[in-house]
Amino acid sequence: KNQVEQSPQSLIILEGKNCTLQCNYTVSPFSNLRWYKQDTGRGPVSLTIMTFSENTKSNGRYTATLDADTKQSSLHITASQLSDSASYICVVGPGTASKLTFGTGTRLQVTL
Amino acid sequence: EAGVAQSPRYKIIEKRQSVAFWCNPISGHATLYWYQQILGQGPKLLIQFQNNGVVDDSQLPKDRFSAERLKGVDSTLKIQPAKLEDSAVYLCASSFGAGVYEQYFGPGTRLTVT
Repeated sequence: KNQVEQSPQSLIILEGKNCTLQCNYTVSPFSNLRWYKQDTGRGPVSLTIMTFSENTKSNGRYTATLDADTKQSSLHITASQLSDSASYICVVGPGTASKLTFGTGTRLQVTL
Repeated sequence: EAGVAQSPRYKIIEKRQSVAFWCNPISGHATLYWYQQILGQGPKLLIQFQNNGVVDDSQLPKDRFSAERLKGVDSTLKIQPAKLEDSAVYLCASSFGAGVYEQYFGPGTRLTVT
């Protein structure tokens, strides 16, 4: 069964600090891995999409890494801001969008 | 460019009633998706359209859910009759095509069934 597991489930950090969110997956076949940010009451917004040949991709203060051999990905947030408070969802796909497998997300809260 | 539009944003109905949601995707996007997101979970795909044809509806509870995209642009998702467990956020997304394309999500419709 295809699964995406994210850790931690929730995280509280101080503004300005860095943090790293983890994603482990057992999805086959594998083609791409996506990270989404979902603010409360809003739809998810894409941060990065990586294919199996990519190891890292950045989007501003967000940097995603991918190790297709160990089936792990991480999302690193640098110099966190209050606006980073959201759920971060890891999504893995085989190349056909209809078969995307979503994780349950990591709930991040950035505080003063 | 305008994003994915959805309406209504919120809906409260009693069980056994019917409800319909509307979605207008980003102009030029051939692929449209409806997802169900239960509180605390990731979105679950209900149905995927490519233009006005259905690509995947394997997780759509067809005894009560229906969806259409008649002209290959906007789409409606209907539930009839609703059950308590249908309480969720219904997200519409669109992409230029199927496969490894960016999916753009709308704000969602929060449905509460009482």
